[in-house]
Amino acid sequence: KAGVTQTPRYLIKTRGQQVTLSCSPISGHRSVSWYQQTPGQGLQFLFEYFSETQRNKGNFPGRFSGRQFSNSRSEMNVSTLELGDSALYLCASSLAGLAGVVNEQFFGPGTRLTVL
Amino acid sequence: AQSVSQHNHHVILSEAASLELGCNYSYGGTVNLFWYVQYPGQHLQLLLKYFSGDPLVKGIKGFEAEFIKSKFSFNLRKPSVQWSDTAEYFCAVNAASSASKIIFGSGTRLSIRP
Repeated sequence: KAGVTQTPRYLIKTRGQQVTLSCSPISGHRSVSWYQQTPGQGLQFLFEYFSETQRNKGNFPGRFSGRQFSNSRSEMNVSTLELGDSALYLCASSLAGLAGVVNEQFFGPGTRLTVL
Repeated sequence: AQSVSQHNHHVILSEAASLELGCNYSYGGTVNLFWYVQYPGQHLQLLLKYFSGDPLVKGIKGFEAEFIKSKFSFNLRKPSVQWSDTAEYFCAVNAASSASKIIFGSGTRLSIRP
């Protein structure tokens, strides 16, 4: 079974630009979560999508948004990039179905975003 | 709001030493608990998880963790570490009421001297 894939793997942008990151979950997984990983901060939860609906959201500004398609693939978008947005963005997929049922999350390799 | 604290940012041990990494969480309700590991250059992967039942859970590669509800802790242990255990370790918590929202700690970097 193919793992979680994320594209692109590396991105360099300048302040004020916007960026779109893509995540393809493991086949059959309908839940996709996004995290921002920075040194010293660990992983911070951005949002989670299930069946094309945002089911959970972290404490990030509205510049961070996402969506999920009918094939469970997900994208996240960051608008008006700031220097502090430089980070590794991780996507994780799981079988999680009903609320309250937690399954193991499988992580992708991440997209390394550098904002200059 | 849930939060997770990992008190050790960087731990350095010699091979064959015993390991214990601390993890405390703040949430008063029912929780699901996880330890993830990130080896250099690799994806995050699950070490072990606790959902219910026996509070002592065993994971891959000889790791185990004990859930102590009264202390809000879920410490990771291994009796004898190997050089290949060099990695970053993340504790994570999910409130049973909030579906797949998993909150991670800031991580502990483990360095093993050969």
